Amino acid sequence: AQSVSQHNHHVILSEAASLELGCNYSYGGTVNLFWYVQYPGQHLQLLLKYFSGDPLVKGIKGFEAEFIKSKFSFNLRKPSVQWSDTAEYFCAVNAYNTDKLIFGTGTRLQVFP
Amino acid sequence: GAVVSQHPSRVICKSGTSVKIECRSLDFQATTMFWYRQFPKQSLMLMATSNEGSKATYEQGVEKDKFLINHASLTLSTLTVTSAHPEDSSFYICSASSRAENTIYFGEGSWLTVV
Repeated sequence: AQSVSQHNHHVILSEAASLELGCNYSYGGTVNLFWYVQYPGQHLQLLLKYFSGDPLVKGIKGFEAEFIKSKFSFNLRKPSVQWSDTAEYFCAVNAYNTDKLIFGTGTRLQVFP
Repeated sequence: GAVVSQHPSRVICKSGTSVKIECRSLDFQATTMFWYRQFPKQSLMLMATSNEGSKATYEQGVEKDKFLINHASLTLSTLTVTSAHPEDSSFYICSASSRAENTIYFGEGSWLTVV
């Protein structure tokens, strides 16, 4: 069965620090990969997605993620975080041609000024 | 971008009663919608796939007789929690795919509290 692992459960950073959140998935076939963000009290919003093509994907608010097929990974990065990035971040995967998303357990990011 | 709306955003019901949550795709048609459940400080767990005009497909461990899903039109899916129990208290979220934008959108979620 498909699964998604996010190894960082809680990350605390100061503003301007660099961020990398890990995401690994288990599925042998073609996948689509997503990062969603959930700000406090708000619904899930799409940060970025990878379907095919350039494995380095750029999303909103300065986030990017790199798909490394050999490592089954899709890590999220941001060179310089802001206080407003404080949120819960979820990595998700769906098998090609399905819209059913399997989510990781999420990473809570706290950014202090 | 496309919008998915859920209603109600918060509902409190008594044990033993049923409660319905609606999920609407506001500006696109969705033949398939998904229902998730999120416990506090945990990830989203897929409950079922809602298929327009046919029966929902439930994930393993989800009681189909307890969580009734109806996808009556291309823009509306409903989740009815029957004979609600305090353990059913949770955050329920739906999603729908926009083919035109090739992405999946989520509703705002619905907090259910069973007392």
